[in-house]
Formats: sequence, structure tokens, C-alpha cells
Amino acid sequence: QKEVEQNSGPLSVPEGAIASLNCTYSDRVSQSFFWYRQYSGKSPELIMSIYSNGDKEDGRFTAQLNKASQYVSLLIRDSQPSDSATYLCAVYEQFYFGTGTSLTVIP
Amino acid sequence: DTGVSQDPRHKITKRGQNVTFRCDPISEHNRLYWYRQTLGQGPEFLTYFQNEAQLEKSRLLSNRFSAERPKGSFSTLEIQRTEQGDSAMYLCASSPLRTDTQYFGPGTRLTVL
Repeated sequence: QKEVEQNSGPLSVPEGAIASLNCTYSDRVSQSFFWYRQYSGKSPELIMSIYSNGDKEDGRFTAQLNKASQYVSLLIRDSQPSDSATYLCAVYEQFYFGTGTSLTVIP
Repeated sequence: DTGVSQDPRHKITKRGQNVTFRCDPISEHNRLYWYRQTLGQGPEFLTYFQNEAQLEKSRLLSNRFSAERPKGSFSTLEIQRTEQGDSAMYLCASSPLRTDTQYFGPGTRLTVL
């Protein structure tokens, strides 16, 4: 079992729809979780962090954490073509990144 | 520009040669990380410094790889006797002590011929 697992996709959504990205992790003691966006050929850029169970909203982005289920998700509302990228889930304590989910937003 | 910088941005070398990369973290960031990323994969942790101390090193890292951060500011990553399998993007990130949030540099793309 990989330490951080993501559906590699590709995930395609129409412009204006909600994109839902999911991530599971294996280490129960993990406390710090991050979502990064990575455009092709570029380095990862931080979208948001989450540390507590529940939802955390930042603009069009909402991160959700469920430590009991060892599950982290990212929702992107009103998806735009500029959101087309690979989204990486990361667990800080073990410095683990998932393989990323490729998202395409179709105009 | 006050972000993380890396030099060079691209490096092409022949198998068996040594290469060295440099990373300058965001000013006053105590923590510095090196990752390696290949196509279709997420960043793979290599090593981590807090100030000048190397606190973690991936067991996947062969002894051909070495990293230093002598004054707790910039860091270098050296790969000795490069192999074709070392071809990848080498990413550096930094974070302040008060948060776990890592900020990435633009990366150094290594191609070993």
C-alpha cells in the first residue's frame, strides 16, 4: 500500500462545474495535509493546507479532512480552464506526496 | 524575487559525471527540503535540513547523493557518477519553523545521456 494514494485520472469536468479530487493516506498519526497544483513543466504551488477534521474554504477551493477514514479531498467550485493541472496531495510528517490527479476543465 | 531559487535550471551531463545543484531558500526559512520528481510521479523526498543540520535522509537515496547546507542558508545537492536513472526534476523547497507549509523553487531538470 502506498503511503499517499490518489486517483491519477484524468478527470474532466465542464467549465463552471465542481471538480472533486480525493486522497487517502496510510499513517494514522499524520496531522498536516496539503494540496498543491502543478502545471506541466512547472514546480508545485501551494493551494491550501488542512490540519483539523472538517472543511476549510479558501475562495473557490474547499479542503475536507476525515482523520478517522484517513481521507483528504479538494473541491474546486466554478472550475475554470486555468484550473487544468495536476493536483498533488501531500502529508507533511513523512514528506510523502501522492502521484497526483490530472484535471482538465473543458470550456 | 523573494521566492526559492535554484541553479541551474537545466543540466545535461554524460553518464559517470558529477553534478552539483544549488538552492537558495526564502530568506529566514529555517527548513529546506530536496525532492526528485519524474514524469507522472509526485515529488519523492530526498533529504531535509533544519538550519545547517541534516535531520532526515531518504533510505532510497544511494550514497552517490549528498547534500549540504553549511551555513544554514543555501544548500547544494551533489550527485556523483550520474546514471541515466538519475534523469529527473530536482526540486528544492523551504519553510519557516512556525509552519509546515513548503514553498517550492522552479526546479533543476537533469538529463543524463
